[in-house]
Amino acid sequence: GENVEQHPSTLSVQEGDSAVIKCTYSDSASNYFPWYKQELGKGPQLIIDIRSNVGEKKDQRIAVTLNKTAKHFSLHITETQPEDSAVYFCAASITDNFNKFYFGSGTKLNVKP
Amino acid sequence: DGGITQSPKYLFRKEGQNVTLSCEQNLNHDAMYWYRQDPGQGLRLIYYSQIVNDFQKGDIAEGYSVSREKKESFPLTVTSAQKNPTAFYLCATSQGYEQYFGPGTRLTVT
Repeated sequence: GENVEQHPSTLSVQEGDSAVIKCTYSDSASNYFPWYKQELGKGPQLIIDIRSNVGEKKDQRIAVTLNKTAKHFSLHITETQPEDSAVYFCAASITDNFNKFYFGSGTKLNVKP
Repeated sequence: DGGITQSPKYLFRKEGQNVTLSCEQNLNHDAMYWYRQDPGQGLRLIYYSQIVNDFQKGDIAEGYSVSREKKESFPLTVTSAQKNPTAFYLCATSQGYEQYFGPGTRLTVT
């Protein structure tokens, strides 16, 4: 089955700096890659996603890039703010007749004011 | 987690007791999922359901059971056979590509 690896496990940046989180996947059939933000004690929130027919997607300060050949995708957060501090999860899915999602192990992002 | 409700937020049980976690959704999504999250770890799939009256085991189904009698509801029962039931439990729904999560239930078994 699919295996998703996520790095780094923890990331500390200064407010205003950029943060990059990377994920790799193993199954070339995966075609949908969401990113989630999880605050302490809450459920994960979908913040951005990308489909396999797109190389990059941007939404204000966050962007995701996908390299299908290398089987990796990354989350980029620019101009980080303290409220960006949370755990971020990547996931991969094969969206044929049913979505089964495979998650990375998470990255704890700490933005220091 | 707007249209997904999980109750209660915190649940305490004694070892040896079964406990049922509620998950309700008003998003009209066909697919529903249950995940388990342990401290500092990712999400592990317990059960999922594509349609009413149908569900499939995920990666860690042992000690858990589910039902899907209504589209809106997908309750999870943690049985006494589950060796380490203390965890954060997340319900999710999906329609099309996206998957959305509920707020979670933190279960503590002592």
